[in-house]
Order: sequence, then structure tokens, then C-alpha cells
Amino acid sequence: QQPVQSPQAVILREGEDAVINCSSSKALYSVHWYRQKHGEAPVFLMILLKGGEQKGHEKISASFNEKKQQSSLYLTASQLSYSGTYFCGTETGTASKLTFGTGTRLQVTL
Amino acid sequence: EPEVTQTPSHQVTQMGQEVILRCVPISNHLYFYWYRQILGQKVEFLVSFYNNEISEKSEIFDDQFSVERPDGSNFTLKIRSTKLEDSAMYFCASSELIVYNSPLHFGNGTRLTVT
Repeated sequence: QQPVQSPQAVILREGEDAVINCSSSKALYSVHWYRQKHGEAPVFLMILLKGGEQKGHEKISASFNEKKQQSSLYLTASQLSYSGTYFCGTETGTASKLTFGTGTRLQVTL
Repeated sequence: EPEVTQTPSHQVTQMGQEVILRCVPISNHLYFYWYRQILGQKVEFLVSFYNNEISEKSEIFDDQFSVERPDGSNFTLKIRSTKLEDSAMYFCASSELIVYNSPLHFGNGTRLTVT
């Protein structure tokens, strides 16, 4: 079962904040976040491990609620370079694959 | 910085033909994957590979698909008899450790067009 992301798409003005949610029907062991720009490969942002930790670097951070089987990605003071499609990737204990979410298309405008 | 390389970048083939997509993972990585993405939509898992054998495969990865690590550097995906619905971007990825706590590094992909 593919994780469901919300919203499907969001348009921001530069400097605004956004939250992207990822929800799974299965128990999660870890959650990855990736960003994909048009025509390019997904690029790794961060991993959150079981334990409910919050991680971040600069203005992008994320949280992981293993009880709710959810993760959220927080983008603050968005920049034009944040535009792209964001995917969560979930690991459900098989240790041999990452299942990617439905994706959230983010567009940052001037 | 080391990177995953894929060749060719674009492959056009006729329905029923065999294609081989090639990948060179990052040299010290132990785990290898193939994913595909149709028209910028969801990224779908095909297969994972470790220690010269398949670790897990999806329902998409039927008897028409196979993977091989023929030498110490290449990792290939073969589609024996291509169908129109195989048209997609195919991404190879590798990770240093198990995916639980190790990021996937993706190649730039091979765009496969089946006519």
C-alpha cells in the first residue's frame, strides 16, 4: 500500500511556510524524504527513524509519529529553489525496499 | 562526490523487443534497486538486490524482468519482451547500508519508450 501525501499540490510565495504530510496504513520503521525537480532524479533530504524524532537542517525539518504512522515535512521561509515534487519513502520492516508516497508538487513563486 | 550512473539516458524500442538498462552503483554501496516512474507520477519499486540475489520484488517485476550484477561494478535490468505499458523512466539506486537508515542515491534515469 502506497503512503498517501497531502496536499497533492501547493503554491507558495517566496518566504512563506508549508507543511507536507505523509500517512501510511502500515507500521513504519523509518521515513525518508526526497525532492525531485522536473526531469531529474529524486534527491535525498533526510531520514527519520522509529522513535518519534524530529530532524532538520536549515529551513527544512521533519517529524515522525510512529504511533500515528505519519510523518510531516516542514519548509519554512521557502525559496525558489524549494520548487519540485516531494516524496516520502517508507520502510515497513522488510529492510529491503522503500515505498514512495503519492507525491506533493510544490511551486514557489516571487 | 560519487554518483550512480545509468546508460543509456534514452532508449526507444519496438514492442516485443528485449532491452537492457545499465547502471553503475556507487562503488562502496552494497544494496541496489530499480524503480520506475511513469510520466512524472509516483515512483514505483521494482526490485532490490543484495549479495548477488534478489531481496524483494514487486508485483510489477514479473517473469519478463530480470536483474543481474555481471561483474563487480554493473547492475542491469533486462526486460525480455517489452510492452507499451513499460514506457517509463527507470531509475537505478544504491545505498551503502540497509534502507532502514541509509539514503538511496539515484541515477539520472533511463527514459524507455516502447512503440
